[in-house]
Amino acid sequence: DADVTQTPRNRITKTGKRIMLECSQTKGHDRMYWYRQDPGLGLQLIYYSFDVKDINKGEISDGYSVSRQAQAKFSLSLESAIPNQTALYFCATVFCNQPQHFGDGTRLSIL
Amino acid sequence: KNEVEQSPQNLTAQEGEFITINCSYSVGISALHWLQQHPGGGIVSLFMLSSGKKKHGRLIATINIQEKHSSLHITASHPRDSAVYICAVNDYQLIWGAGTKLIIKP
Repeated sequence: DADVTQTPRNRITKTGKRIMLECSQTKGHDRMYWYRQDPGLGLQLIYYSFDVKDINKGEISDGYSVSRQAQAKFSLSLESAIPNQTALYFCATVFCNQPQHFGDGTRLSIL
Repeated sequence: KNEVEQSPQNLTAQEGEFITINCSYSVGISALHWLQQHPGGGIVSLFMLSSGKKKHGRLIATINIQEKHSSLHITASHPRDSAVYICAVNDYQLIWGAGTKLIIKP
């Protein structure tokens, strides 16, 4: 079983739709992250959470929201999707300052 | 100016060649990471280092804290090493380089 599971793996949707990307982990890590990756660019941090009650904005949080439902679950929502949110999205977890563990990514296309 | 810069952006080499990918950064860091992203998209952590040198199989990572520079070396490169190699540094958060796309031809 994967340590960090993202669902769905692929999603095509229309402008204006609400979308939720889910991430769950079995590693018991306290910290969880959502990134987006655009071609030719480094990963950009959307939101991160150090604990269930600790949610922080990253560098590109506008247009996104998150929910940390439990230590193992961290969901990313696009309330009203727009085409420039088309990207590859990654969830990652980490314990303290150890290397991050990544999910396999969600490829999101917004038409 | 980006805080983490990698070079080269793209690298094509023949199987067996010695590969070097460079990473320079401009912020104070607690650690530097090298990661590998395969064509399918998955990202795997290769190394985390804060000083000196680490080796794992044919991969070697070095860091010079004073010069704010790290290198990733691949010895006896193989087509399966073809991937994007990403450098990231721990400031308060992870700051990511744009990646180096490596293609190893048989």
